[in-house]
Amino acid sequence: GQQLNQSPQSMFIQEGEDVSMNCTSSSIFNTWLWYKQDPGEGPVLLIALYKAGELTSNGRLTAQFGITRKDSFLNISASIPSDVGIYFCAGHLILLQGAQKLVFGQGTRLTINP
Amino acid sequence: DAGVTQSPTHLIKTRGQQVTLRCSPKSGHDTVSWYQQALGQGPQFIFQYYEEEERQRGNFPDRFSGHQFPNYSSELNVNALLLGDSALYLCASSEMGRRSNYGYTFGSGTRLTVV
Repeated sequence: GQQLNQSPQSMFIQEGEDVSMNCTSSSIFNTWLWYKQDPGEGPVLLIALYKAGELTSNGRLTAQFGITRKDSFLNISASIPSDVGIYFCAGHLILLQGAQKLVFGQGTRLTINP
Repeated sequence: DAGVTQSPTHLIKTRGQQVTLRCSPKSGHDTVSWYQQALGQGPQFIFQYYEEEERQRGNFPDRFSGHQFPNYSSELNVNALLLGDSALYLCASSEMGRRSNYGYTFGSGTRLTVV
């Protein structure tokens, strides 16, 4: 089945530093998504990528969809304390009869030292 | 506008028991998906319901079943609970046919502990 490998598993940085994490897959996805999950909450969508090679920004966040459709990265610039949390990549699949599902990576836990 | 509502927020059950988790989708959404998130892992797709039918199922045993009601709300049932079923169960609602970036809204989940 589809698997997403996300790295690094955890990051410990100083406030103000830039962050980079990436995700690779053995399968092709038509859409890549990046989510953030805070403790006790469900994942919240940060960025969605639809086209191979696409580079998309959302404030201090930038993500790119790999040319092969099998990888993506997420960058966070000038990190602030509220960036703390777990970041997940997800590949979106459209299945039979129009059903859809997300395949998630294992997550990157971001910790920021003030 | 209420988002996705899940109940209960926390639950403790004994091995062998049965459990029912509930989800009310975001207003305007007609599709409900359930995910299991083990501690330290990403969510895993269980199944998706649309028009009161199971449309797609992930790699989960038949002990996991679901239902969708005419008002689009959904239930997840797990029978014969195992210790390994302990996890955060997430409900995500969407609108069938919409693009994914607008589609998925996740609830805060139900934390199930099996002892």
